[in-house]
Amino acid sequence: GQQLNQSPQSMFIQEGEDVSMNCTSSSIFNTWLWYKQDPGEGPVLLIALYKAGELTSNGRLTAQFGITRKDSFLNISASIPSDVGIYFCAGQTTSGTYKYIFGTGTRLKVLA
Amino acid sequence: DAMVIQNPRYQVTQFGKPVTLSCSQTLNHNVMYWYQQKSSQAPKLLFHYYDKDFNNEADTPDNFQSRRPNTSFCFLDIRSPGLGDAAMYLCATSRPNEKLFFGSGTQLSVL
Repeated sequence: GQQLNQSPQSMFIQEGEDVSMNCTSSSIFNTWLWYKQDPGEGPVLLIALYKAGELTSNGRLTAQFGITRKDSFLNISASIPSDVGIYFCAGQTTSGTYKYIFGTGTRLKVLA
Repeated sequence: DAMVIQNPRYQVTQFGKPVTLSCSQTLNHNVMYWYQQKSSQAPKLLFHYYDKDFNNEADTPDNFQSRRPNTSFCFLDIRSPGLGDAAMYLCATSRPNEKLFFGSGTQLSVL
């Protein structure tokens, strides 16, 4: 089946540093979504990408839909302590059933 | 205002005792999903509905069933919970080809 490989698996960074994470697959996806999840809570949508090559920002967050439709990255600039959490990418498959599968997650820790 | 509501937030059941988790939405979205998430792992899709059309994932155990009586509500039934079914269960909704919105999840414990 389709898989999304997300990297890095975890990151420890200093407050104020920029962060970059990405998702890759051997399959094509129609839509990419990026989520942040805090412990014990549901994922919260950060950015949605609908077209190959699309670059979208949301405050300090920037994400891009890869031109091949097989990858996406998320950048966080000037990290702050509340950026701590697990970040997931999700891709909508081309099966025509509106199905989304999730990447393996990037656990981010920010050191003040 | 919560738009995807899951009840209860925490559910404790006994090994083998049937349990039902519920999800409701105020967004009038066509598509509703159930995901299972174990300890910091990726959410794993169990099944989803497009309107009344049910789509089961090939590796979802028969122990898991779902019902969608109307647009607003969707239920996850676990017929005979095992210890391995302890997890966070996440409900999500979307319009076709649009963003997924998640509820806060139900944390299921099996004793």
